[in-house]
Amino acid sequence: DAKTTQPPSMDCAEGRAANLPCNHSTISGNEYVYWYRQIHSQGPQYIIHGLKNNETNEMASLIITEDRKSSTLILPHATLRDTAVYYCIVRVLTGGGNKLTFGTGTQLKVEL
Amino acid sequence: GAVVSQHPSWVICKSGTSVKIECRSLDFQATTMFWYRQFPKQSLMLMATSNEGSKATYEQGVEKDKFLINHASLTLSTLTVTSAHPEDSSFYICSARADRGRGNTIYFGEGSWLTVV
Repeated sequence: DAKTTQPPSMDCAEGRAANLPCNHSTISGNEYVYWYRQIHSQGPQYIIHGLKNNETNEMASLIITEDRKSSTLILPHATLRDTAVYYCIVRVLTGGGNKLTFGTGTQLKVEL
Repeated sequence: GAVVSQHPSWVICKSGTSVKIECRSLDFQATTMFWYRQFPKQSLMLMATSNEGSKATYEQGVEKDKFLINHASLTLSTLTVTSAHPEDSSFYICSARADRGRGNTIYFGEGSWLTVV
């Protein structure tokens, strides 16, 4: 799987949008971009994924650049409960590369 | 969202004994499950890939005879830590890949804390 690069930490004020960037400049054409988050002492939670189009669900929006070398996860109205480590991962859907390999992620801290 | 359940949530065992952790996909079938280990303030480290009806595939450096994995059905995988030692104390997390209807998305359990004394 292609490696990803994320900032180690970010702060966000409650109620504001949190924009978490991720670089994946070596991504292959068949690799999807996945986002998970891990709240302290819990298992990771799936947030969203996409291939090349922007995606939105009840939790977040995913913006993927046209060249697919980077993406941004957007939490539109961050709350204190969104404080977590956010992981950006690229993976193929089938075959030996379909496993999730975690990097160090971004520690998002949402403050009052 | 899809639910993956782990049991027990936490366990304390004596050094030299074995402990089993169960991972169940509650509302979907999972041909493939994954086991991770996470030490404090570190990221998740993949230990092995569990395939229903066949042998698990272990990552480099993970002892297959120490971490026994069984994936006997499409909804259950177990991890047994044999002859546990204090250095095996960690947060163990399983995940399951949804086979159908969910785009092969991988969902995670709540994790199991193992303390070996």
